[in-house]
Amino acid sequence: GIQVEQSPPDLILQEGANSTLRCNFSDSVNNLQWFHQNPWGQLINLFYIPSGTKQNGRLSATTVATERYSLLYISSSQTTDSGVYFCAVEAGAGGTSYGKLTFGQGTILTVHP
Amino acid sequence: DSGVTQTPKHLITATGQRVTLRCSPRSGDLSVYWYQQSLDQGLQFLIQYYNGEERAKGNILERFSAQQFPDLHSELNLSSLELGDSALYFCASSVVGIGEWAGADTQYFGPGTRLTVL
Repeated sequence: GIQVEQSPPDLILQEGANSTLRCNFSDSVNNLQWFHQNPWGQLINLFYIPSGTKQNGRLSATTVATERYSLLYISSSQTTDSGVYFCAVEAGAGGTSYGKLTFGQGTILTVHP
Repeated sequence: DSGVTQTPKHLITATGQRVTLRCSPRSGDLSVYWYQQSLDQGLQFLIQYYNGEERAKGNILERFSAQQFPDLHSELNLSSLELGDSALYFCASSVVGIGEWAGADTQYFGPGTRLTVL
């Protein structure tokens, strides 16, 4: 099956710093989503981004499907950004699929005040 | 709030017991997915239902089963529970999730049910 690797595994920042999280995947994808899992365990959708670039406030994401990677940018980080960031993909390139997401192992982000 | 609801939030039970987790998808979503998050395995896909029919299976144990009802809510049944079944169980829903370009829509996750098996 498709492999998803996220880096770095851990990231510690001071409030106000910027960061880039990376997601590499081993095959073509129909779906790529970024999630933030907060300290209470809730998985929050950040982006649906199988290709291209999107921005939402201090967060933006870029997926280069041909090179099989995606980047999540966090600018001016805040303590509330702390948690685990997951990349999840669904393998496929236009064929029949069923929406099964394969998750990476996540990047644990800690933002200190 | 994703619009996906799951009950109960927490469940504590003993080995050998059986439990049922419930999920209500977002209004209008036809597909429901179940995922398991454990410390050793990470987040793993278990099973998907579309409009009442099973459509895809992942790493789901034979002791586990699920169904989707006519009102589109879903239940995940876990039986003969073992210590290793302790995990956070998520339900997700999406509008479609089937057929060509099936993956091409967002999955929204519920708050999860934290299962502890003692």
